[in-house]
Amino acid sequence: AQSVTQLDSHVSVSEGTPVLLRCNYSSSYSPSLFWYVQHPNKGLQLLLKYTSAATLVKGINGFEAEFKKSETSFHLTKPSAHMSDAAEYFCVVNYGGSQGNLIFGKGTKLSVKP
Amino acid sequence: EAGVAQSPRYKIIEKRQSVAFWCNPISGHATLYWYQQILGQGPKLLIQFQNNGVVDDSQLPKDRFSAERLKGVDSTLKIQPAKLEDSAVYLCASRDSGAYEQYFGPGTRLTVT
Repeated sequence: AQSVTQLDSHVSVSEGTPVLLRCNYSSSYSPSLFWYVQHPNKGLQLLLKYTSAATLVKGINGFEAEFKKSETSFHLTKPSAHMSDAAEYFCVVNYGGSQGNLIFGKGTKLSVKP
Repeated sequence: EAGVAQSPRYKIIEKRQSVAFWCNPISGHATLYWYQQILGQGPKLLIQFQNNGVVDDSQLPKDRFSAERLKGVDSTLKIQPAKLEDSAVYLCASRDSGAYEQYFGPGTRLTVT
């Protein structure tokens, strides 16, 4: 079955240190991949997307992710965490192109300590 | 560009009552989705519309949930009668034709007591 796995349910970092949120997908087809962020009591906001162009994708708020086909990974990184980055992050995969549905990971809660 | 609008933002009802949620997608977006997000989980697709037609409702509990998208713009999701396990955030999303990404509204937080 097509799936996406977020390897950590909770990540805690100190402000100013790097952020790494890990995501792996099943390799049946070449997928489109996304990272969404959800702040408390807010909807989901698109951070970045990969749709078979450049493998290193830059998103909003200084986040970026690298598509690695050999590792079936799409990890999210940021060089320096900010307090406002504290939120839930979802790795999302779409195997059906523009007609496909999104399959969500279970989410990673990012905590940022002062 | 205005985002996806949803109302109400919060709703508290007793079990066996009915409730309806409303969604207005981004202007011009033909595809509209309703998701259910239970606390601590990722969103789960309930139903997908393309214009005013249903594309996928395989995960919609049709004995109690219904949805419509008259005129291919706004949509309503209804639950009747509600159960305790329906307590969740109901998210609406829309997608432009040919695009891959979806844009989400702020959600409606439903509490069933």
